[in-house]
Amino acid sequence: DVVMTQTPVSLPVSLGGQASISCRSSQSLVHSNGNTYLHWYLQKPGQSPQLLIYRVSNRFSGVPDRFSGSGSGTDFTLKISRVEPEDLGDYYCLQSTHFPYTFGAGTKLELK
Amino acid sequence: QVTLKESGPGILQPSQTLSLTCTFSGFSLSTYGMGVGWIRQPSGKGLEWLANIWWDDDKYYNPSLKNRLTISKDTSNNQAFLKITNVDTADTATYYCARIGAYPGIFDYWGQGVMVTVSS
Repeated sequence: DVVMTQTPVSLPVSLGGQASISCRSSQSLVHSNGNTYLHWYLQKPGQSPQLLIYRVSNRFSGVPDRFSGSGSGTDFTLKISRVEPEDLGDYYCLQSTHFPYTFGAGTKLELK
Repeated sequence: QVTLKESGPGILQPSQTLSLTCTFSGFSLSTYGMGVGWIRQPSGKGLEWLANIWWDDDKYYNPSLKNRLTISKDTSNNQAFLKITNVDTADTATYYCARIGAYPGIFDYWGQGVMVTVSS
């Protein structure tokens, strides 16, 4: 299975500040079709996960441009600029290039 | 508007079979490219992918559950199902269904989740 190593586990931030979350995979996430199936989700307290970024850098419908994704191969980053209260929660990366799909262990974005 | 809602037994005993239903609207599992996946999350822990089913009845399972899973669908009633046989306390979790929609391999809309407790 592809192991997704997500860091940090906890990320204290100030409102209006910037946050950066890393996700590294144990093997390349480039699919044979040339696409890279690495996605980012936010799970707010008491809610189900919601899609933020799909295929590395594409914002899902309605996601503000404060969220951006980058990376390639095995190394990926989610950046959140101008953090707002509604951004707090648990962030997960997911790879769906290889079966079984695997998630990172999560990063808790919390107030400093 | 895409919505999904999971339903299940709430509580069951070890060795029983867990049957979950995902009832959805706003899309059809007979449409090319559409799919539904199941993901679970033990309380306070991370997410684990379980299984996917696609419009053409193609199915994929997480091998870590060792043939205990069966995913199926009822296209006419807009439902997907997951069965897990021989449950034990480690299967206690919130179970989510999610749509695989316009983008292959991507869960774009999720249900609210259903909590399942396995206890004797």
